[in-house]
Amino acid sequence: KAGVTQTPRYLIKTRGQQVTLSCSPISGHRSVSWYQQTPGQGLQFLFEYFSETQRNKGNFPGRFSGRQFSNSRSEMNVSTLELGDSALYLCASSLVVGVTGGNSPLHFGNGTRLTVT
Amino acid sequence: AQSVAQPEDQVNVAEGNPLTVKCTYSVSGNPYLFWYVQYPNRGLQFLLKYITGDNLVKGSYGFEAEFNKSQTSFHLKKPSALVSDSALYFCAVRDKAGNMLTFGGGTRLMVKP
Repeated sequence: KAGVTQTPRYLIKTRGQQVTLSCSPISGHRSVSWYQQTPGQGLQFLFEYFSETQRNKGNFPGRFSGRQFSNSRSEMNVSTLELGDSALYLCASSLVVGVTGGNSPLHFGNGTRLTVT
Repeated sequence: AQSVAQPEDQVNVAEGNPLTVKCTYSVSGNPYLFWYVQYPNRGLQFLLKYITGDNLVKGSYGFEAEFNKSQTSFHLKKPSALVSDSALYFCAVRDKAGNMLTFGGGTRLMVKP
């Protein structure tokens, strides 16, 4: 079974631009989460989607947005990029979420490394 | 709010020696606890989880973790370290209401030959 696929792997953008990152979950997984990883802040939760609905949202500004499609694929968008947005963005999928699925482990992709210059 | 603390930024151990990577957590109610490992330029890989029951959980690559409710800890252990175990290790917690998974800051494990 194919793992979580994130595209692109590397991205270089300029301040003020916007960017869209893509994530294809493991087949059959309906939950997708996004995390930002930086050396200083560690792993910061961005958002979690299940069946096209955002279930949880982290403490990030409105420039960060996401969505999930009916085939469970997800995208996240960052508008008006800032230098501090440079990070590894990780997507993870799991079978279910909520009360019945809270013990389902997350399966991570290899991430998209975004560099903002 | 739930939280996870990994008090050591780095743990150094000699190959063949036992290793422990520490984790303490704070959550409302009973937790789901996880350990993940990250190799350079890769995503996180699931190692093991605690749901309920036996306090000693066995996982991938010979790793195990001990859940201690009174100390709110979930330390990762391995009886004999390998150089290939050198990586970044993350502890994570989720409450049983199914809220978001919260990660600790990570501990870099260095196993010297």
